[in-house]
Amino acid sequence: DTEVTQTPKHLVMGMTNKKSLKCEQHMGHRAMYWYKQKAKKPPELMFVYSYEKLSINESVPSRFSPECPNSSLLNLHLHALQPEDSALYLCASSQGGQMNTEAFFGQGTRLTVV
Amino acid sequence: GESVGLHLPTLSVQEGDNSIINCAYSNSASDYFIWYKQESGKGPQFIIDIRSNMDKRQGQRVTVLLNKTVKHLSLQIAATQPGDSAVYFCAENIPSGSARQLTFGSGTQLTVLP
Repeated sequence: DTEVTQTPKHLVMGMTNKKSLKCEQHMGHRAMYWYKQKAKKPPELMFVYSYEKLSINESVPSRFSPECPNSSLLNLHLHALQPEDSALYLCASSQGGQMNTEAFFGQGTRLTVV
Repeated sequence: GESVGLHLPTLSVQEGDNSIINCAYSNSASDYFIWYKQESGKGPQFIIDIRSNMDKRQGQRVTVLLNKTVKHLSLQIAATQPGDSAVYFCAENIPSGSARQLTFGSGTQLTVLP
């Protein structure tokens, strides 16, 4: 099983809403990532969790709040987003630590902020 | 700052021809590189990887070449097929504290012509 599952696939939310994106993997990976991807651009790293601890925060605005409840789950809590936050949000996982192994990606959540 | 970039944003090839997609990187600490394929509306899909102690790696119809002297890698696709049409990203994976950071290049749109 090399699957990373993201829900929901599509999300439309107002600027005053609170919503959460979910990501799940059962590969035993200990590193999980959130990326943001705008149209015709490469994925941009937002957060990295390593062994359930936040290791990297790429200066992401506080309206994005990540959470790693356990080694299989990764959430991204959204609050008071702006229309420019509309994008494809991708979750990925890899074995973690200093092991340089491939990262597997989910299919993403297409977020539209209205 | 350090970055990963691609030489060409688009590439069109005839079906059956070979494709070559190039990528330059500038981070000398990069020790692991991955090529991803991304089809419209989907997450990046792993194609092939290479570690910095190698200069060539072959997969099924794909070959990655790494030239550390000039910080350049390429992806060769043999006998390109219509299903190969997608955006291709190179990504470098470097240690960052207790985790690893995966940074994407700008991408090349490959179009296979009938």
